[in-house]
Amino acid sequence: AQKVTQAQTEISVVEKEDVTLDCVYETRDTTYYLFWYKQPPSGELVFLIRRNSFDEQNEISGRYSWNFQKSTSSFNFTITASQVVDSAVYFCALSEVPGYSSASKIIFGSGTRLSIRP
Amino acid sequence: KAGVTQTPRYLIKTRGQQVTLSCSPISGHRSVSWYQQTPGQGLQFLFEYFSETQRNKGNFPGRFSGRQFSNSRSEMNVSTLELGDSALYLCASSLAWVGDTEAFFGQGTRLTVV
Repeated sequence: AQKVTQAQTEISVVEKEDVTLDCVYETRDTTYYLFWYKQPPSGELVFLIRRNSFDEQNEISGRYSWNFQKSTSSFNFTITASQVVDSAVYFCALSEVPGYSSASKIIFGSGTRLSIRP
Repeated sequence: KAGVTQTPRYLIKTRGQQVTLSCSPISGHRSVSWYQQTPGQGLQFLFEYFSETQRNKGNFPGRFSGRQFSNSRSEMNVSTLELGDSALYLCASSLAWVGDTEAFFGQGTRLTVV
């Protein structure tokens, strides 16, 4: 069965600190996609990254970086030099390819509420 | 280009009533998915429509239904509302299927059942 676990419910750090959000997933399929979304107080989910299961290369985008390790089924997200505007709820998610064990849907983790203090 | 539009943004309904929520996807997107977000259950998949056909459905009672029109706009209906249906309902729009590319989400409809 598909499952995404974000063990950190809430994290609070002081501005400019680095922070890592953990994500562990479960799936029986060999082909799948992993995502990170940000949900600010306004409510909409903002796409941050999509990674397919065959691409384990780490990715960096400005202050954001992602570490994908299939061996540990983890897809962790690090914010370097955090800023107050990074405060939001962050969701890790998993999607399998339609036609395999499930059709087209995204399975979300429970989210990590990140608070950046000035 | 315009993003995903959900209307209305806020709704207050009474138990037993029914409600219809609307989602207009990004132009050219044919897949529309619906999600329910509550503090207790998090984000849960409701259903997905593609080219006017329901392609997948989550574990929700039959009171929850939806449809998609030929212009890809989608509506979600909840009948016989219960207090537990109070939630943020999010709609996602994508080109072909929700994991194929990034899914774009609307700002949601916050439904309160009293």
